[in-house]
Amino acid sequence: AQTVTQSQPEMSVQEAETVTLSCTYDTSENNYYLFWYKQPPSRQMILVIRQEAYKQQNATENRFSVNFQKAAKSFSLKISDSQLGDTAMYFCAFMKHRGSEKLVFGKGMKLTVNP
Amino acid sequence: DVKVTQSSRYLVKRTGEKVFLECVQDMDHENMFWYRQDPGLGLRLIYFSYDVKMKEKGDIPEGYSVSREKKERFSLILESASTNQTSMYLCASSLLGRGSADFGPGTRLTVL
Repeated sequence: AQTVTQSQPEMSVQEAETVTLSCTYDTSENNYYLFWYKQPPSRQMILVIRQEAYKQQNATENRFSVNFQKAAKSFSLKISDSQLGDTAMYFCAFMKHRGSEKLVFGKGMKLTVNP
Repeated sequence: DVKVTQSSRYLVKRTGEKVFLECVQDMDHENMFWYRQDPGLGLRLIYFSYDVKMKEKGDIPEGYSVSREKKERFSLILESASTNQTSMYLCASSLLGRGSADFGPGTRLTVL
């Protein structure tokens, strides 16, 4: 079974600074997807960024980028130039590429961006 | 721009009642999921469906059942609601092989 671990339950950062959220996972699969989802306060869960395990290049989406270390089973999210709107719960998630496409989540991390 | 909808945002039920939570997606997705979200526990998968009438148990299926009679609709059923099922319930769907899911707004269920 796959597991996803987010060891930091909470972080805070000043506006315009850079912050890194950590995630590790455990799997025996070779092909899979990794995701970071964002859930703003009282709002819907949305996809921030996605990484396919067979791609060596780290995914980027504007101010969001990942550091994917497949051998170490590590998948961290870097948020550059933090904005107040980045305040949210962030969840790391895993999905197998083939077979049962269950989406497995970590416990989440609360990020607060301070003015 | 409707994608994944859930029948209620807030629901209050009594212990022992049978509760139905409905989820509908309009994207022709094969996969659908039901999660419950509790503080400090993240999202825990209750059930997963990969096709009409097909389902797999997730991590916490006890006390729940599901129904998927049509591709767009995935129902979560609490056969006899209990207070420990008070939670936020999230529905999601994904396209087979695409590798990411769209979420509904959630249903906050309170069982008294």
